[in-house]
Amino acid sequence: DTAVSQTPKYLVTQMGNDKSIKCEQNLGHDTMYWYKQDSKKFLKIMFSYNNKELIINETVPNRFSPKSPDKAHLNLHINSLELGDSAVYFCASSQDSGGSGANVLTFGAGSRLTVL
Amino acid sequence: DAKTTQPPSMDCAEGRAANLPCNHSTISGNEYVYWYRQIHSQGPQYIIHGLKNNETNEMASLIITEDRKSSTLILPHATLRDTAVYYCIVRVFYGAGSYQLTFGKGTKLSVIP
Repeated sequence: DTAVSQTPKYLVTQMGNDKSIKCEQNLGHDTMYWYKQDSKKFLKIMFSYNNKELIINETVPNRFSPKSPDKAHLNLHINSLELGDSAVYFCASSQDSGGSGANVLTFGAGSRLTVL
Repeated sequence: DAKTTQPPSMDCAEGRAANLPCNHSTISGNEYVYWYRQIHSQGPQYIIHGLKNNETNEMASLIITEDRKSSTLILPHATLRDTAVYYCIVRVFYGAGSYQLTFGKGTKLSVIP
């Protein structure tokens, strides 16, 4: 029944490794997002996809590569992990990208990444 | 950058109304005001949004001033489970018909027994 589900919930890894976080939504939404929440609790948008097309890419290092195989999935792959990548990553979805008026986001429970 | 200003923290007695203010003096005429909250370690949760008129749903009421430069989120009977960080957000136009929600620092509401 989970609307937006992320896996894994926790991820502990060494610097330099490559890891992925998966996200799936069963709401039939067209738009999906990745947000990062750092240790200071600021929640910042990283990427947004609308119908599998990238529409927002906010000054995120090239080591981060989102992949959207279909509009229900948006995965985040991170290469060469660094200490500063430690954060909670939230996936979200909305009906559309907001052009039709309001865009209400539904968030997942988050994936806590710890880089040692 | 977030286009809203909120007090960093507030306390509210359990069972009383919690009134959370937000200033958004640069809001444009056709932009919505959104409220989300984040309970510790959970994903942000949508509460309510409005354009000009006051809005009410099962979670809260939203009062928007006539000039739309500020709004107040009202939780009518706060419970301990309402302890969370509350975010007031105005969308940022990103281009090509897309918008993004930029989260500021929010207001940490503590509901006290």
